[in-house]
Amino acid sequence: DTEVTQTPKHLVMGMTNKKSLKCEQHMGHRAMYWYKQKAKKPPELMFVYSYEKLSINESVPSRFSPECPNSSLLNLHLHALQPEDSALYLCASSPSDRVYTEAFFGQGTRLTVV
Amino acid sequence: RKEVEQDPGPFNVPEGATVAFNCTYSNSASQSFFWYRQDCRKEPKLLMSVYSSGNEDGRFTAQLNRASQYISLLIRDSKLSDSATYLCVVNPSASKIIFGSGTRLSIRP
Repeated sequence: DTEVTQTPKHLVMGMTNKKSLKCEQHMGHRAMYWYKQKAKKPPELMFVYSYEKLSINESVPSRFSPECPNSSLLNLHLHALQPEDSALYLCASSPSDRVYTEAFFGQGTRLTVV
Repeated sequence: RKEVEQDPGPFNVPEGATVAFNCTYSNSASQSFFWYRQDCRKEPKLLMSVYSSGNEDGRFTAQLNRASQYISLLIRDSKLSDSATYLCVVNPSASKIIFGSGTRLSIRP
């Protein structure tokens, strides 16, 4: 199983809503990532979790709140988002943040904030 | 200076042509390098890792030049299905995976 599964695939939310994005992997990977990708731009790193602890926060606004309940799951809680936060949100995992190796990506959640 | 820089293209080449992309990186301590491919409205997928000795996978050849801090990707005998955005990816540290801006490739019949 080399899959990273993200749900939902599409999400439309209002600026006052609270929603969560979910990511799951069963490859035993110990590093998990959230990326944000706008149209025709490369993915931009948001957060890195290593061994279930937040290791990198790339100065992401607090309206995005990550959570890693266990080694297989990664959530991104969304609250009071702005229309400019509309983007493709990609989750990725890699075996470890201490080993230089490639990351595997989920299919992403396409988020629209209205 | 951006950590990873690529020529954005677009490259528009005929089927069967050979095309090459370059990517430069700023952090000399970077340890690993990859090329990813991303189709429109899809997630990035690993195309190949890039090793110091260079590596080849069918029609694709990747090279790393540590002294000049660049990596390259060569596609021979290009197919229509090669049309995509090619992303250069660098690990400046084990925790970070940084993408270049991507090079758009369009293969015409």
